[in-house]
Amino acid sequence: AQSVAQPEDQVNVAEGNPLTVKCTYSVSGNPYLFWYVQYPNRGLQFLLKYITGDNLVKGSYGFEAEFNKSQTSFHLKKPSALVSDSALYFCAFFHTGGFKTIFGAGTRLFVKA
Amino acid sequence: GAVVSQHPSWVICKSGTSVKIECRSLDFQATTMFWYRQFPKQSLMLMATSNEGSKATYEQGVEKDKFLINHASLTLSTLTVTSAHPEDSSFYICSAAGRGTTEAFFGQGTRLTVV
Repeated sequence: AQSVAQPEDQVNVAEGNPLTVKCTYSVSGNPYLFWYVQYPNRGLQFLLKYITGDNLVKGSYGFEAEFNKSQTSFHLKKPSALVSDSALYFCAFFHTGGFKTIFGAGTRLFVKA
Repeated sequence: GAVVSQHPSWVICKSGTSVKIECRSLDFQATTMFWYRQFPKQSLMLMATSNEGSKATYEQGVEKDKFLINHASLTLSTLTVTSAHPEDSSFYICSAAGRGTTEAFFGQGTRLTVV
């Protein structure tokens, strides 16, 4: 079955340090990959997406992600973490066959001051 | 990106009553709408997919009679939780996609609390 996996339940990083939130995918055909962030009791906020083209995708709030076809990964990165980045992050893909968005389990990011 | 509006953002209802949640695409025609449920600190689980004018397709394990979905127009889908019970308390999120699109757009979510 097609899916995305987020291997880490939680990531801890100190403010000012770079952060990485991992995502791997198992998707046939061209993967349409996304990152969303969710703050407590809030809906999803779109961060970035990869549809085609440049493997390095830049998104909102200084986040970026690199699409790596050989490693089937789409890790989310930010050069310098902020305490306000602490939230729940979801990797997802848009299943064009079933025409729906499938989410990873989510990774909770804690940025310590 | 396109805008999807979900209403209400939160609702409290008594056990045994029904509650309706609306999902509207404000600036595009949503040929397909999706309803997700999210338990605390968990991922979003797809409940059902609805195409305009057609019956919704429910994911395995989702009770059709409990969660009624209507997608009567290209801009509106509703989820009705019938005879709600405390275990139905959850965060419900809708999303919408237009024809031929490569992504769906999400509403703000509705926090349902059944007391």
